[in-house]
Amino acid sequence: SYVLTQPPSVSVAPGKTARITCGGNNIGIKSVHWYQQMPGQAPVLVIYYDSDRPSGIPERFSGSNSGNTATLTVSRVEAGDEADYFCQVWDSSSDHYVFGTGTKVTVL
Amino acid sequence: EVQLLESGGGLVQPGGSLRLSCAASGFTFSGYGMSWVRQAPGKGLQWVSSINFSGGRTLYADSVKGRFTVSRDNSKNTLFLQMNSLRAEDTAVYYCAKVEVELGAFDYWGQGILVTVSS
Repeated sequence: SYVLTQPPSVSVAPGKTARITCGGNNIGIKSVHWYQQMPGQAPVLVIYYDSDRPSGIPERFSGSNSGNTATLTVSRVEAGDEADYFCQVWDSSSDHYVFGTGTKVTVL
Repeated sequence: EVQLLESGGGLVQPGGSLRLSCAASGFTFSGYGMSWVRQAPGKGLQWVSSINFSGGRTLYADSVKGRFTVSRDNSKNTLFLQMNSLRAEDTAVYYCAKVEVELGAFDYWGQGILVTVSS
């Protein structure tokens, strides 16, 4: 089955840039979606189709996808960005959705 | 405003059954696929099942195939998850989610409902 690997944690100072990676075999040919989950809350879609932002999501959130790695970038990080982030793809070979292992972003 | 409200969770013994419901509002329910995602305590997100807009296509994670059944009632704007032969490892918060386009992103999520499988 298809596996998506994320770093367990990323730490970043306020105002700096956080980059969260999502590794998968040839992930560049798939569409990657990213979700933010605050403690005790439901996930929220922040990036879809690699780099599109749903309405209401700040421009500070951006995404890219190439080769074996997709990346969610959060610019000018704020304390309110502290959350868990998950990547997701549709794996057509198994007819399964797959979530990444998740990354906890800590704002220092 | 899109709203998804899960119900039907609770405590059940191993081997037991439970039926989750997800009441949808704020969008044309019959026009969109829906999914169930779960999250075990302190763990990540795990996709469970999806159903297309008409109910004619259903998909399941390997861990629940043959035990769980997803269905929908478009006349009542409601999504269901029938869970049978429950195991301790099925203990999780279960979320229903609207699928943006078929096989696409999950653009709206419910608040989640806790299912605990324990004796």
